Parts: sequence; C-alpha cells; structure tokens
Amino acid sequence: DAGVIQSPRHEVTEMGQEVTLRCKPISGHDYLFWYRQTMMRGLELLIYFNNNVPIDDSGMPEDRFSAKMPNASFSTLKIQPSEPRDSAVYFCASRGQGGSEAFFGQGTRLTVV
Amino acid sequence: KQEVTQIPAALSVPEGENLVLNCSFTDSAIYNLQWFRQDPGKGLTSLLLIQSSQREQTSGRLNASLDKSSGRSTLYIAASQPGDSATYLCAVRYNFNKFYFGSGTKLNVKP
Repeated sequence: DAGVIQSPRHEVTEMGQEVTLRCKPISGHDYLFWYRQTMMRGLELLIYFNNNVPIDDSGMPEDRFSAKMPNASFSTLKIQPSEPRDSAVYFCASRGQGGSEAFFGQGTRLTVV
Repeated sequence: KQEVTQIPAALSVPEGENLVLNCSFTDSAIYNLQWFRQDPGKGLTSLLLIQSSQREQTSGRLNASLDKSSGRSTLYIAASQPGDSATYLCAVRYNFNKFYFGSGTKLNVKP
C-alpha cells in the first residue's frame, strides 16, 4: 500500500477563497482523522470518521470548516471562506480496528494570503 | 482534560551518545501510546506503538517503555546518529478512538 495520500502538498490561496484538501486513507482502515499543525498549538484533532461516518467534530474551529467522507477511500476537508489564520499544515491519518497503529499522510501546507 | 507533555523541548547531543526522550500524561487510563518521528516539512512516521498492557517495545536502536501508574513513557535511542535528527512526538490514546499529541522534542545529533 502507498500509505495515506494527501493532495495537494502545497496550497496558496487568497483570503475569502474556498479551499479543498483531499485524503485517501490506507485501504482497509476504518478510521480517518484530520489534524491541523501550527507552531503555536501543535497538532490538533479536527474531526474523525469511523466507517465513513463523522464521529467527533468537536475540534472543527468554525462553521467555515467542513469535512466529508463519501466512501471508504476518500475524504475532503473544506474551508470556505478561507482566512489567513487558517494557514497551517493539515494532516490526514488512518488506522484499522482495535489498538492498531495510526499512519499519517505527508500533509498539505496551506497558506492563505 | 487529558494533557501530554514532552520534556525537553529540544536536545542536542554528539553522535554516538545514548539518549532518552520523555513523555508524560495526566490521565493513566490510556488505551495505548505511539511514538512518531517528524522530519522538517514532512509527515509523521510511526516508530513504536505500546498497548496499555505492555511495558516496552523495541525496534532496532529504539526502545520505548510505558509506566501507566506514573503517567510516563520514555523513548530510548541507542548510539545516536545524525540521521536521527528530527522532532519526536508521542501520542496518547485515551478512549477508543481519539489520541492526543505532546508538543514534541526536537533532537539534533551532531556529527
């Protein structure tokens, strides 16, 4: 397996624009997580899915953020409208059942100017 | 609130030295604990996973221990190499699904 795949790797956008980040989890993994990493706050869990169903979105900062998982092999994180303070690295991770390891993608570095 | 703390925040050692990175957590009712490595501008690479019922895990020059009663885990790196330079993160899983990260220890191994 190629691991967790995220796209794009880098995104630069203007304030107010819509941004969509994409993630393909490892095949067979039941859980998918979206994290955000900043220097000030470290790694923060935004939302996670189990079997394509959002379970906990308490970390989503505002209504401008939304996430979907239409099938077991694809998830999106959307920010609309984007703001400069959304600039961060966004990671997607997946894991299987039980006490298994979590695996992370390479991240998407988002810059909102 | 579950908190995960990593000390020191940064560490610089000469090549060949053995070293220990620390991770402490406030709630001892953990499910498991995972150590990651992050290189600059890169994603997180899983190093070791310790279940709550285990005391330690080993992979090559790495050894991770877990002491739930004291709320601590250590990552021991033997015979450090410049290629070990990275940020090391521990993540503690409390309930069945969510896990919480420490702020990391930035390691620099000098040739």
